[in-house]
Amino acid sequence: DTAVSQTPKYLVTQMGNDKSIKCEQNLGHDTMYWYKQDSKKFLKIMFSYNNKELIINETVPNRFSPKSPDKAHLNLHINSLELGDSAVYFCASSSGQPPEGYTFGSGTRLTVV
Amino acid sequence: EDQVTQSPEALRLQEGESSSLNCSYTVSGLRGLFWYRQDPGKGPEFLFTLYSAGEEKEKERLKATLTKKESFLHITAPKPEDSATYLCAVQPSGGYQKVTFGTGTKLQVIP
Repeated sequence: DTAVSQTPKYLVTQMGNDKSIKCEQNLGHDTMYWYKQDSKKFLKIMFSYNNKELIINETVPNRFSPKSPDKAHLNLHINSLELGDSAVYFCASSSGQPPEGYTFGSGTRLTVV
Repeated sequence: EDQVTQSPEALRLQEGESSSLNCSYTVSGLRGLFWYRQDPGKGPEFLFTLYSAGEEKEKERLKATLTKKESFLHITAPKPEDSATYLCAVQPSGGYQKVTFGTGTKLQVIP
């Protein structure tokens, strides 16, 4: 039933590990996004895909790599995790341009120790 | 660079006490201004999109207005369930442009 679902909801891992976060939307939207929310609640765009094509690629470390196997899925892989990567990562989707608004997932809280 | 500034950072209201949240923005040609509500531990929930100065939208106790430099979210006779962080965001015009968010106003409504 969930419109935008992310897994896992919580992720605790050690520095240097590689991890992935998965996102799926069942709304039929054509654009998907990854946002990072820091401890001060600031939401910052990382990536955006439209119909599997990368359209927004903000200045993020190369250790972050998004992958969109189809327009309903957008995954985020992070290599060599660092302490500063600890944050809440949100997946979102939208349709139309301009979008009326985004539908966000419930977030993945990543803690790097 | 697009900028969004929200004030106040936090607001505490008694139930029934109306007030307004402010969102000041700088953008090179506005395509849309968005308001979202975020509850603790959840993703932002879309409320409104405003496209041009003078536009207003309402939903229950919330009313959003837009000028060329700022937007207001008016909350009339709030209830405790309106407690949340309210986020404002802007998207510039022209192709696929990124949406820039403000840091939000944390609203607490006390019974």
